[in-house]
Amino acid sequence: AQSVTQPDIHITVSEGASLELRCNYSYGATPYLFWYVQSPGQGLQLLLKYFSGDTLVQGIKGFEAEFKRSQSSFNLRKPSVHWSDAAEYFCAVGAPAAGNKLTFGGGTRVLVKP
Amino acid sequence: EPEVTQTPSHQVTQMGQEVILRCVPISNHLYFYWYRQILGQKVEFLVSFYNNEISEKSEIFDDQFSVERPDGSNFTLKIRSTKLEDSAMYFCASSGPLGTRRNQPQHFGDGTRLSIL
Repeated sequence: AQSVTQPDIHITVSEGASLELRCNYSYGATPYLFWYVQSPGQGLQLLLKYFSGDTLVQGIKGFEAEFKRSQSSFNLRKPSVHWSDAAEYFCAVGAPAAGNKLTFGGGTRVLVKP
Repeated sequence: EPEVTQTPSHQVTQMGQEVILRCVPISNHLYFYWYRQILGQKVEFLVSFYNNEISEKSEIFDDQFSVERPDGSNFTLKIRSTKLEDSAMYFCASSGPLGTRRNQPQHFGDGTRLSIL
């Protein structure tokens, strides 16, 4: 069975500083990996996805993520954080052979200091 | 940009009552999903649905749960006899279009907060 671990529950970062959110996954085949963001009272918005090919993927809002098979990781990064990036971020792995279900990590809440 | 819409945004129900949560997926999507998030916990998969039948369901999705696509636009989740532990945020998602299940991400609605009293 697949699983996702996000080791950091909370991260506080200063506006303008860089951000990296960690994600480790467990999946028996080639993973389909996603990052979603959830602002308070909102649904889950897709930031980016990895299916195959280039291991560095670009997403919306200036985010990127790097797939590292050897480390079973898919970390999310942003070079310069804006106050509007304060939200909860979820990493997920997709299982095409199991109804395409997503398995989510526990999320990382990002706080942005002025 | 097309979006998934869910109604109501908040539902309060007495324990033991039936509840129906409604979703309108993105119009050209063919794959539909329900997830839930109990307060403070992970987002959990409940069920996926394609071609008018369930593709996959989790162990949470027991006989008290059912899904239906009653017409060409709605996708519903019914809980027959609600329990206190059903209190959660329920998210609907859809993906597509035809023939691309493996390569299309899921788009989520804003959720319905279900409170069981």
